Amino acid sequence: DAGVIQSPRHEVTEMGQEVTLRCKPISGHNSLFWYRQTMMRGLELLIYFNNNVPIDDSGMPEDRFSAKMPNASFSTLKIQPSEPRDSAVYFCASSFGRGGVTEAFFGQGTRLTVV
Amino acid sequence: SQQGEEDPQALSIQEGENATMNCSYKTSINNLQWYRQNSGRGLVHLILIRSNEREKHSGRLRVTLDTSKKSSSLLITASRAADTASYFCATASIFSGGYNKLIFGAGTRLAVHP
Repeated sequence: DAGVIQSPRHEVTEMGQEVTLRCKPISGHNSLFWYRQTMMRGLELLIYFNNNVPIDDSGMPEDRFSAKMPNASFSTLKIQPSEPRDSAVYFCASSFGRGGVTEAFFGQGTRLTVV
Repeated sequence: SQQGEEDPQALSIQEGENATMNCSYKTSINNLQWYRQNSGRGLVHLILIRSNEREKHSGRLRVTLDTSKKSSSLLITASRAADTASYFCATASIFSGGYNKLIFGAGTRLAVHP
């Protein structure tokens, strides 16, 4: 298995633009997490899906952020409109089971820079 | 919100020495996990210890868990320069519906000098 695949690896966009981050979890995993990592706030859990259903989105910072998981092999995190404070590394992770009961496998991340 | 807090924030040692990192958390947990992150890379799972376990070993790694004190420690023995990375603890805590949230601490930056 190729592991969790995220795209793009790097994204530079102008303030106000829409940004879409993509994630392909490991086949057979039914839990998917989106995290955001910054120096100031560390790793923040944004949203957690189980069997393609959003279970907890309390970490989504604002209405500008939205996430979808249309099927078991694909998820997106969208920011519209983007702001400079959204600059961070966004990680997708997947695991098997009801959330963190087993190890999570992380993608390489998308480094987002909003100018 | 962060559940775990690592201590120390940064650790600098010589090759061959042991490195100990500590993690404290606030709520009841299902399990506690340790991850490693090399600069610019994703996190890699190291070891998982369940709430009913007290100690676990994997190669040069030793993890302990004290649920009464809500704390865990990660010991890396005979450290190598290649162990240089950030180390994070993550707690899996049950919330509504029987699902588990996986929440990470702030991490410990470990530097191992040749």
